[in-house]
Amino acid sequence: QKEVEQNSGPLSVPEGAIASLNCTYSDRGSQSFFWYRQYSGKSPELIMFIYSNGDKEDGRFTAQLNKASQYVSLLIRDSQPSDSATYLCAVTMLLGAGGTSYGKLTFGQGTILTVHP
Amino acid sequence: NAGVTQTPKFRILKIGQSMTLQCTQDMNHNYMYWYRQDPGMGLKLIYYSVGAGITDKGEVPNGYNVSRSTTEDFPLRLELAAPSQTSVYFCASSYGERGEQYFGPGTRLTVT
Repeated sequence: QKEVEQNSGPLSVPEGAIASLNCTYSDRGSQSFFWYRQYSGKSPELIMFIYSNGDKEDGRFTAQLNKASQYVSLLIRDSQPSDSATYLCAVTMLLGAGGTSYGKLTFGQGTILTVHP
Repeated sequence: NAGVTQTPKFRILKIGQSMTLQCTQDMNHNYMYWYRQDPGMGLKLIYYSVGAGITDKGEVPNGYNVSRSTTEDFPLRLELAAPSQTSVYFCASSYGERGEQYFGPGTRLTVT
């Protein structure tokens, strides 16, 4: 089982619709959860982060976390053509010990979203 | 705030050549990371640093070296370039080990 799995794409939605992106993770010790957007040829851009169970809203974006089900989702309301990109789910686990512990950020394979006019 | 900056943007190397990819952040983040992303693939961690003078290996460290003499800078060194190192390299930084990571614009490296 992959450490972080995203729903297979590509996902195509009409402009103005809600896009729903899903992600599951295998390690119950995971502590932080992120959604990145990556346009072709560009670097990942952080759009949402969530640490606690429940929903977190920021503008048109809502992240949902359910630790019991090991599930993270991202909803994009009123989707725009400019939202067309690859969306990466990323999960942090703490590794190492003492002064050299670090947050291992594991990425899913990404879901390609296309919003068509 | 420039965030995380990387130079160069593009580079072509011949097999066996060496180079240093530069990474600088101005957010006073203590954690810094180097990733590579191959076409159609996810991001793989090469090296990370938890502060000046402290670095450690990630998932794919072979063929690379790093140093961290200041909080701001985290250069990645390729000693003997190989075609397998053709990739896009991203530097990232975060405040704390749980914190969200912010990425630089990337360096696209081709080894021929």
